[in-house]
Amino acid sequence: KQEVTQIPAALSVPEGENLVLNCSFTDSAIYNLQWFRQDPGKGLTSLLLIQSSQREQTSGRLNASLDKSSGRSTLYIAASQPGDSATYLCACQGGSEKLVFGKGTKLTVNP
Amino acid sequence: EAQVTQNPRYLITVTGKKLTVTCSQNMNHEYMSWYRQDPGLGLRQIYYSMNVEVTDKGDVPEGYKVSRKEKRNFPLILESPSPNQTSLYFCATTGGRGYNEQFFGPGTRLTVL
Repeated sequence: KQEVTQIPAALSVPEGENLVLNCSFTDSAIYNLQWFRQDPGKGLTSLLLIQSSQREQTSGRLNASLDKSSGRSTLYIAASQPGDSATYLCACQGGSEKLVFGKGTKLTVNP
Repeated sequence: EAQVTQNPRYLITVTGKKLTVTCSQNMNHEYMSWYRQDPGLGLRQIYYSMNVEVTDKGDVPEGYKVSRKEKRNFPLILESPSPNQTSLYFCATTGGRGYNEQFFGPGTRLTVL
């Protein structure tokens, strides 16, 4: 059974700092890994999707990497801004299209 | 614009009163699913549907029903809601085949008294 872990559970950084969020998973037989952002009480916004055959994906200040063999993914946020404050979720997709989510990292970027 | 809509967005109800949360997508996707999100437990899949008239249980299906009579709609039915079903519910959809992005609805916050 797939288990997804995100560490740390919460992170507070000053504005402008580069930061890395970590995601680990127990079963490497995944189709893809997706990173989401969730603002308080709101829905999930997809940030990046990495196919199992890919090593990384980039969108603006965000870069996500995937190492299937070690069961790890990282989300790198460059030059963080207060507007980046949110909870970041990673999710692995296996068979039957089901996403298995980590519990998230709550990020606070302080002005 | 690609959209997943859910209604209602907020609902307060009482134990035992049947309710339906609707979900609709305009992307012509075959795959749809329901998740619930609870503090400390994260998001867990309730039910999913691979296509019209094809549904199956996810990880936490007890107390829920679904139907898929049309491709675009996937309602979640609580026949006799209980307080432990108080949660934030999300509908999701994807084009499937294992390689496509999943899109989520805005969520429905349900409180069962």
